Amino acid sequence: DAMVIQNPRYQVTQFGKPVTLSCSQTLNHNVMYWYQQKSSQAPKLLFHYYDKDFNNEADTPDNFQSRRPNTSFCFLDIRSPGLGDAAMYLCATTSGTGTYNEQFFGPGTRLTVL
Amino acid sequence: AQRVTQPEKLLSVFKGAPVELKCNYSYSGSPELFWYVQYSRQRLQLLLRHISRESIKGFTADLNKGETSFHLKKPFAQEEDSAMYYCALLRGSGGSNYKLTFGKGTLLTVNP
Repeated sequence: DAMVIQNPRYQVTQFGKPVTLSCSQTLNHNVMYWYQQKSSQAPKLLFHYYDKDFNNEADTPDNFQSRRPNTSFCFLDIRSPGLGDAAMYLCATTSGTGTYNEQFFGPGTRLTVL
Repeated sequence: AQRVTQPEKLLSVFKGAPVELKCNYSYSGSPELFWYVQYSRQRLQLLLRHISRESIKGFTADLNKGETSFHLKKPFAQEEDSAMYYCALLRGSGGSNYKLTFGKGTLLTVNP
Protein backbone atom coordinates (compact mmCIF):
# COMPACT_ATOMS: atom_id res chain seq x y z
CA ASP A 1 0.00 0.00 0.00
CA ALA A 2 2.94 2.27 -0.61
CA MET A 3 1.67 5.71 -1.56
CA VAL A 4 4.84 7.47 -2.69
CA ILE A 5 7.39 5.22 -4.32
CA GLN A 6 10.94 6.11 -5.23
CA ASN A 7 13.22 4.11 -7.49
CA PRO A 8 15.89 3.15 -7.14
CA ARG A 9 16.49 3.32 -3.40
CA TYR A 10 20.24 3.53 -3.96
CA GLN A 11 21.89 4.97 -7.04
CA VAL A 12 25.56 5.13 -7.82
CA THR A 13 26.79 7.25 -10.69
CA GLN A 14 30.05 8.60 -11.94
CA PHE A 15 31.15 12.19 -11.87
CA GLY A 16 29.57 13.94 -14.84
CA LYS A 17 27.39 11.00 -15.91
CA PRO A 18 23.69 11.97 -16.17
CA VAL A 19 21.36 10.24 -13.77
CA THR A 20 17.57 10.10 -13.39
CA LEU A 21 15.69 9.44 -10.19
CA SER A 22 12.08 8.35 -10.27
CA CYS A 23 9.05 9.04 -8.09
CA SER A 24 5.53 7.73 -8.45
CA GLN A 25 2.42 8.16 -6.36
CA THR A 26 -0.91 6.42 -5.95
CA LEU A 27 -2.60 9.31 -4.14
CA ASN A 28 -3.64 11.24 -7.24
CA HIS A 29 -2.18 14.37 -5.66
CA ASN A 30 -1.76 17.54 -7.68
CA VAL A 31 1.53 18.61 -6.17
CA MET A 32 4.84 16.75 -6.27
CA TYR A 33 8.03 18.00 -4.63
CA TRP A 34 11.70 17.11 -4.88
CA TYR A 35 13.99 17.70 -1.91
CA GLN A 36 17.71 17.27 -1.51
CA GLN A 37 18.97 16.26 1.92
CA LYS A 38 22.64 16.13 2.69
CA SER A 39 24.04 14.52 5.81
CA SER A 40 22.95 16.30 9.00
CA GLN A 41 21.15 18.95 6.96
CA ALA A 42 17.53 19.93 6.55
CA PRO A 43 15.63 18.69 3.52
CA LYS A 44 16.03 21.45 0.96
CA LEU A 45 13.34 22.02 -1.64
CA LEU A 46 14.65 21.92 -5.21
CA PHE A 47 11.39 22.41 -7.12
CA HIS A 48 7.81 21.32 -7.28
CA TYR A 49 5.02 20.71 -9.76
CA TYR A 50 1.44 21.75 -9.41
CA ASP A 51 -0.14 19.57 -12.06
CA LYS A 52 2.04 20.39 -15.06
CA ASP A 53 3.16 23.79 -13.78
CA PHE A 54 6.82 23.70 -12.80
CA ASN A 55 8.06 25.86 -9.92
CA ASN A 56 11.79 26.13 -9.48
CA GLU A 57 13.41 27.39 -6.29
CA ALA A 58 15.63 30.38 -6.92
CA ASP A 59 18.78 28.70 -5.64
CA THR A 60 18.37 25.35 -7.38
CA PRO A 61 21.34 24.81 -9.72
CA ASP A 62 20.66 24.48 -13.45
CA ASN A 63 22.21 21.05 -13.25
CA PHE A 64 18.94 19.82 -11.75
CA GLN A 65 15.94 19.35 -13.99
CA SER A 66 12.58 17.70 -13.55
CA ARG A 67 9.86 16.16 -15.66
CA ARG A 68 6.32 15.24 -14.84
CA PRO A 69 4.79 13.32 -17.76
CA ASN A 70 1.55 12.55 -15.93
CA THR A 71 -0.09 12.89 -12.51
CA SER A 72 1.51 9.76 -11.13
CA PHE A 73 5.13 10.16 -12.11
CA CYS A 74 7.83 12.73 -11.56
CA PHE A 75 11.51 12.49 -12.45
CA LEU A 76 14.60 14.26 -11.20
CA ASP A 77 17.37 14.57 -13.78
CA ILE A 78 20.87 15.53 -12.77
CA ARG A 79 22.65 16.44 -15.97
CA SER A 80 26.24 16.37 -14.79
CA PRO A 81 26.50 15.12 -11.22
CA GLY A 82 29.30 16.48 -9.13
CA LEU A 83 30.67 15.11 -5.89
CA GLY A 84 28.66 17.75 -4.05
CA ASP A 85 25.41 16.31 -5.39
CA ALA A 86 25.78 13.15 -3.34
CA ALA A 87 22.76 13.22 -1.04
CA MET A 88 19.42 11.69 -0.21
CA TYR A 89 16.73 12.83 -2.62
CA LEU A 90 13.21 12.87 -1.29
CA CYS A 91 10.00 13.03 -3.24
CA ALA A 92 6.81 14.22 -1.59
CA THR A 93 3.22 14.90 -2.61
CA THR A 94 0.29 16.89 -1.35
CA SER A 95 -3.24 17.31 -2.60
CA GLY A 96 -2.85 21.00 -3.37
CA THR A 97 -6.53 21.73 -3.02
CA GLY A 98 -8.03 24.11 -0.50
CA THR A 99 -6.10 24.64 2.68
CA TYR A 100 -2.70 23.13 3.07
CA ASN A 101 -2.58 19.40 3.75
CA GLU A 102 0.32 17.31 4.85
CA GLN A 103 3.07 16.25 2.52
CA PHE A 104 3.49 12.52 2.04
CA PHE A 105 7.08 11.47 1.56
CA GLY A 106 8.71 8.65 -0.29
CA PRO A 107 11.51 6.60 1.25
CA GLY A 108 14.16 8.53 -0.65
CA THR A 109 16.91 7.67 -3.09
CA ARG A 110 20.46 7.84 -1.81
CA LEU A 111 22.75 9.06 -4.57
CA THR A 112 26.45 8.33 -4.51
CA VAL A 113 28.75 10.08 -6.99
CA LEU A 114 32.12 8.43 -7.65
CA ALA B 1 13.71 35.28 4.84
CA GLN B 2 12.07 32.27 6.36
CA ARG B 3 14.18 30.28 8.74
CA VAL B 4 13.66 27.37 11.10
CA THR B 5 16.18 26.72 13.84
CA GLN B 6 16.43 23.57 15.90
CA PRO B 7 19.26 24.31 18.32
CA GLU B 8 19.78 20.75 19.50
CA LYS B 9 21.23 18.27 17.06
CA LEU B 10 21.03 15.46 19.63
CA LEU B 11 18.83 14.98 22.65
CA SER B 12 19.02 12.03 24.99
CA VAL B 13 16.59 11.32 27.81
CA PHE B 14 15.60 8.38 29.95
CA LYS B 15 12.29 6.58 29.59
CA GLY B 16 9.59 8.28 31.60
CA ALA B 17 11.37 11.63 31.66
CA PRO B 18 9.84 14.73 30.10
CA VAL B 19 11.17 15.76 26.75
CA GLU B 20 11.16 19.08 24.92
CA LEU B 21 12.48 19.54 21.41
CA LYS B 22 13.07 23.18 20.63
CA CYS B 23 12.12 24.98 17.44
CA ASN B 24 12.40 28.67 16.66
CA TYR B 25 11.36 30.34 13.45
CA SER B 26 11.58 33.61 11.61
CA TYR B 27 8.84 34.54 9.19
CA SER B 28 7.32 37.85 8.22
CA GLY B 29 3.83 36.52 7.68
CA SER B 30 1.42 34.56 9.81
CA PRO B 31 3.25 31.32 10.53
CA GLU B 32 1.92 27.83 10.14
CA LEU B 33 4.17 25.21 11.68
CA PHE B 34 4.51 21.47 11.72
CA TRP B 35 6.51 18.71 13.30
CA TYR B 36 7.59 15.84 11.08
CA VAL B 37 9.16 12.66 12.41
CA GLN B 38 11.34 9.98 10.87
CA TYR B 39 11.65 6.70 12.74
CA SER B 40 14.53 4.37 11.98
CA ARG B 41 14.25 2.93 8.47
CA GLN B 42 10.92 4.68 7.87
CA ARG B 43 9.94 7.62 5.74
CA LEU B 44 9.43 11.16 6.92
CA GLN B 45 5.86 11.65 8.15
CA LEU B 46 3.74 14.33 9.71
CA LEU B 47 3.50 14.20 13.49
CA LEU B 48 1.38 17.24 14.20
CA ARG B 49 0.52 20.75 13.03
CA HIS B 50 -0.11 23.76 15.20
CA ILE B 51 -3.49 24.67 13.76
CA SER B 52 -4.91 21.32 14.82
CA ARG B 53 -4.03 21.85 18.47
CA GLU B 54 -4.01 18.10 18.89
CA SER B 55 -1.93 15.66 20.86
CA ILE B 56 -0.38 12.89 18.81
CA LYS B 57 1.35 9.99 20.54
CA GLY B 58 1.38 12.12 23.68
CA PHE B 59 3.22 14.98 21.97
CA THR B 60 1.95 18.54 21.95
CA ALA B 61 3.33 21.74 20.52
CA ASP B 62 2.19 25.29 21.13
CA LEU B 63 2.90 28.16 18.84
CA ASN B 64 4.31 31.11 20.77
CA LYS B 65 4.35 34.08 18.44
CA GLY B 66 5.99 36.35 21.01
CA GLU B 67 8.97 34.04 21.33
CA THR B 68 8.69 32.80 17.73
CA SER B 69 8.83 29.26 19.01
CA PHE B 70 7.05 25.97 18.40
CA HIS B 71 8.58 23.55 20.87
CA LEU B 72 7.52 19.91 20.90
CA LYS B 73 6.81 18.42 24.31
CA LYS B 74 5.94 15.12 25.86
CA PRO B 75 5.60 14.62 29.61
CA PHE B 76 6.78 11.01 29.70
CA ALA B 77 9.10 9.82 26.94
CA GLN B 78 8.90 6.26 25.66
CA GLU B 79 11.61 4.23 23.94
CA GLU B 80 9.54 4.14 20.76
CA ASP B 81 9.76 7.92 20.58
CA SER B 82 13.39 7.60 19.54
CA ALA B 83 13.55 9.20 16.09
CA MET B 84 14.64 12.23 14.12
CA TYR B 85 12.29 15.16 14.55
CA TYR B 86 12.03 18.04 12.09
CA CYS B 87 10.27 21.30 12.65
CA ALA B 88 8.87 22.83 9.46
CA LEU B 89 7.42 26.20 8.49
CA LEU B 90 4.84 26.59 5.75
CA ARG B 91 5.50 29.31 3.19
CA GLY B 92 3.66 30.43 0.15
CA SER B 93 -0.08 30.56 -0.22
CA GLY B 94 -2.67 28.91 -2.31
CA GLY B 95 -2.86 25.29 -3.30
CA SER B 96 -0.27 25.63 -6.04
CA ASN B 97 2.41 27.27 -3.99
CA TYR B 98 2.60 25.64 -0.57
CA LYS B 99 6.16 24.85 0.41
CA LEU B 100 7.89 23.81 3.61
CA THR B 101 11.11 25.11 5.11
CA PHE B 102 12.61 22.49 7.40
CA GLY B 103 14.93 22.78 10.34
CA LYS B 104 18.01 20.59 10.50
CA GLY B 105 16.36 18.16 12.85
CA THR B 106 16.91 16.82 16.36
CA LEU B 107 17.77 13.19 16.94
CA LEU B 108 15.93 12.07 20.05
CA THR B 109 17.15 9.00 21.88
CA VAL B 110 15.10 7.61 24.73
CA ASN B 111 17.16 5.31 26.89
CA PRO B 112 15.63 2.45 28.88
